[in-house]
Amino acid sequence: EPEVTQTPSHQVTQMGQEVILRCVPISNHLYFYWYRQILGQKVEFLVSFYNNEISEKSEIFDDQFSVERPDGSNFTLKIRSTKLEDSAMYFCASSLYRRTERGYEQYFGPGTRLTVT
Amino acid sequence: AQSVAQPEDQVNVAEGNPLTVKCTYSVSGNPYLFWYVQYPNRGLQFLLKYITGDNLVKGSYGFEAEFNKSQTSFHLKKPSALVSDSALYFCAVRDIYGGSQGNLIFGKGTKLSVKP
Repeated sequence: EPEVTQTPSHQVTQMGQEVILRCVPISNHLYFYWYRQILGQKVEFLVSFYNNEISEKSEIFDDQFSVERPDGSNFTLKIRSTKLEDSAMYFCASSLYRRTERGYEQYFGPGTRLTVT
Repeated sequence: AQSVAQPEDQVNVAEGNPLTVKCTYSVSGNPYLFWYVQYPNRGLQFLLKYITGDNLVKGSYGFEAEFNKSQTSFHLKKPSALVSDSALYFCAVRDIYGGSQGNLIFGKGTKLSVKP
């Protein structure tokens, strides 16, 4: 069964450093997402991506964040200058998409635990 | 704005007994509702969804959920719990307000503990 994969599983970085989190969505999916989950809190939407551009973003997704689909398979989340409060589990997700249908479920990767020290 | 509430932080059930994990929602228009499960150190796994049609939705691992429009609820159920069902369960609603393309809004999660 196809699945979303993410690398690395755990990333430790110092405050102010740049990090890139990588995801490989399910191959025939067209819609991609990043969510995050701060320890003990709910899963929060960051950004969605379709047709090589951001479709939506939340208030959390400020200028320090960016996303990219550099090739036909990878989908990345970059944090330019990490802060302590960026420490969280970051989940990538993907789904099929049709303009007239919003019922497709999203499939999540196992997550990358980011620790900013 | 769309929102989801899971009123219980934890649910404890004995193995073999029925389980219910509660979820209520607030949406504008028709809801698109989902349940996900998270096992320790794993990602979110899709269990089931309600889009339209029958109010009782069946999903993976013997789980089902009942959509109740009058009570704005979407409770997750299983007739006979297994120890392996112990995990964190998230209810979610698809955000379609104001032309949104459908990111998920999650509840805070309910920890299910099934004892032998």
